[in-house]
Amino acid sequence: QVQLQESGPGLVRPSETLSLTCTVSGGSIRSTSHYWGWIRQSPGRGLEWLGSIFYNGDSHYNPSLKSRLSVSVDTSASRFSLQVTSVTAADSAVYYCARVYGGNSGYFDVWGPGSLVTVSS
Amino acid sequence: DIQMTQSPSSLYASVGDRVTITCRASQFIHRYLNWYQQQPGKAPRLLIYHTSTLQSGVPSRFSGSESGTDFTLTISSLQPEDFATYYCQQSFSVPDTFGPGTKVEIK
Repeated sequence: QVQLQESGPGLVRPSETLSLTCTVSGGSIRSTSHYWGWIRQSPGRGLEWLGSIFYNGDSHYNPSLKSRLSVSVDTSASRFSLQVTSVTAADSAVYYCARVYGGNSGYFDVWGPGSLVTVSS
Repeated sequence: DIQMTQSPSSLYASVGDRVTITCRASQFIHRYLNWYQQQPGKAPRLLIYHTSTLQSGVPSRFSGSESGTDFTLTISSLQPEDFATYYCQQSFSVPDTFGPGTKVEIK
């Protein structure tokens, strides 16, 4: 049973970089059937897909945020990461990592519990 | 981006009721429509993918269907654990987009 767990700071200062990591357990991050994605949820923006990455590094981003996003994968540590640069209060949200089935655009069949990130000075 | 709308935004229902939630896409999405259930304080849970395929472990009282760009999630007999918020998501094209959600509340 694949499980995902987000980790990272809960508070980020405005203009700084938000960094989160998702650790995959109970299954292989090298799956050829899955991408690994990031989704965030806030009261104002609802659920918003940010980006997804394959174990070989092939990545795809939400065009509306692409200039500020970076997703990377570390197969040796069975984890993948998200960076959001130049954050503002609008980036405050619960950030979820999830397994994606069906290519870079697919359905999210396993989710982490979520990590609340607040952007504030 | 493909815009997803849902109706109603909320509804009140009783245990045993049949509940129907509708999701509409702003353009053709070729049945690449998925449904999620979210309990307060929890991550979303996949219920149905590709319009009508039930995810493993999901009770058979949940079903999905489509008519053109309109998609429907039906709960045949509402159970206490089904009171939650439901979201649709299109996975036809990047960026994946979600509907705003439908909250199912106890009458």
